[in-house]
Amino acid sequence: DTGVSQDPRHKITKRGQNVTFRCDPISEHNRLYWYRQTLGQGPEFLTYFQNEAQLEKSRLLSDRFSAERPKGSFSTLEIQRTEQGDSAMYLCASSYQDATNEKLFFGSGTQLSVL
Amino acid sequence: GEDVEQSLFLSVREGDSSVINCTYTDSSSTYLYWYKQEPGAGLQLLTYIFSNMDMKQDQRLTVLLNKKDKHLSLRIADTQTGDSAIYFCAERRGNNRLAFGKGNQVVVIP
Repeated sequence: DTGVSQDPRHKITKRGQNVTFRCDPISEHNRLYWYRQTLGQGPEFLTYFQNEAQLEKSRLLSDRFSAERPKGSFSTLEIQRTEQGDSAMYLCASSYQDATNEKLFFGSGTQLSVL
Repeated sequence: GEDVEQSLFLSVREGDSSVINCTYTDSSSTYLYWYKQEPGAGLQLLTYIFSNMDMKQDQRLTVLLNKKDKHLSLRIADTQTGDSAIYFCAERRGNNRLAFGKGNQVVVIP
């Protein structure tokens, strides 16, 4: 399978715990994005990487959130001291950026429930 | 505000055409996209249109772009039960991020 894969698919945690999600992009893609989607809403941008460099972070990404892409391949998104408001679907997308267009391909997401 | 707006719900009979509308905000957006999301799944890219085009046809899908009114529509011809999903429009803004609408739920009635 050459699509974007995310792990785990579902995560249930207690408030205050730390969680980490992983995303494996399509192998030749140089850009990787994290989005968050809550029920009844469209995805909201969190952050993106070009290769291993984190180029932009949204205001939605509080200090409790950290994302890494250490070797320019897979990425992790960690949420520390989770709150109930963090409950959402966390979507990863990757793309190959060229001069003409950039098409994002999304993974199936990690559904986080904070109790 | 900076919201991309979409109507929320559409029901359509199998075999009929569906039209989903979207109003975007950034007149400098270069590309506009339509994504499909089935329950419990990620987003699947359906089609896109470059901002200097008025129309793009891709099999059963027709995208119309009215740049003056910042209005985007997606027409699905011969709608099938497998087309039941949530459809999101998205605009690509200058900072490389995609801004999505809230989605339009399409229910196809057999």
